[in-house]
Amino acid sequence: QTVVTQEPSFSVSPGGTVTLTCGLTSGSVSASFYPSWYQQTPGQTPRTLIYNTNSRSSGVPDRFSGSILGNKAALTITGAQADDECYYYCALYLGSGMPVFGGGTKVTVL
Amino acid sequence: EVQWLVSGGGLAQPGGSLTLSCAVSGFTFSSYAMTWVRQAPGKGLEWVATIRSDDTTFYADSVKGRFTISRDNSKNTLYLHLHSLRAEDTAMYYCARHYTFYYESWGQGTLVTVSS
Repeated sequence: QTVVTQEPSFSVSPGGTVTLTCGLTSGSVSASFYPSWYQQTPGQTPRTLIYNTNSRSSGVPDRFSGSILGNKAALTITGAQADDECYYYCALYLGSGMPVFGGGTKVTVL
Repeated sequence: EVQWLVSGGGLAQPGGSLTLSCAVSGFTFSSYAMTWVRQAPGKGLEWVATIRSDDTTFYADSVKGRFTISRDNSKNTLYLHLHSLRAEDTAMYYCARHYTFYYESWGQGTLVTVSS
């Protein structure tokens, strides 16, 4: 069974740039997997950031951007701020059902 | 503005049942697929079930045969009927508006705890 993979954690300095990735245990990610990204502060409702690889949801600041990097989907945070410290989940449409979530990446801003 | 009212969570015994509700306003509910996603304590997000606008339903293998998703378009309300509950069903349950390839917007969660 193919699993969606994410880094468990990442640290970034305030004002810095961090790129999170979303891959597969088998195969490469392309735009045809329609990568999406979600932000969640513990105890809060998830928020949709990016869909269809690189489209930002309404109200999402442009310091968040999505792309395909090599064989993975990527979420880049440019100019990290303190309130960007939370969990980020990607999801991929694997074609046989609903979008499947990765395990999430905890981002620390320090 | 989209508004959500999610309710129905609580404490249930193993083998018991609960019904979750997600009442929405601010968009044409009947035109959209809707989804339930859950999150066990300290864990990540897990897709549970989806109902399309044509009432076609889809379920995660972990809940198939035990949970039923339904909708009442006259009440703009999404439901999740949980039966034969297990300890591993303990989670925060979120409803979400679903576009084909992603989860577009989210309601607040309701906590289901399965314990004797």
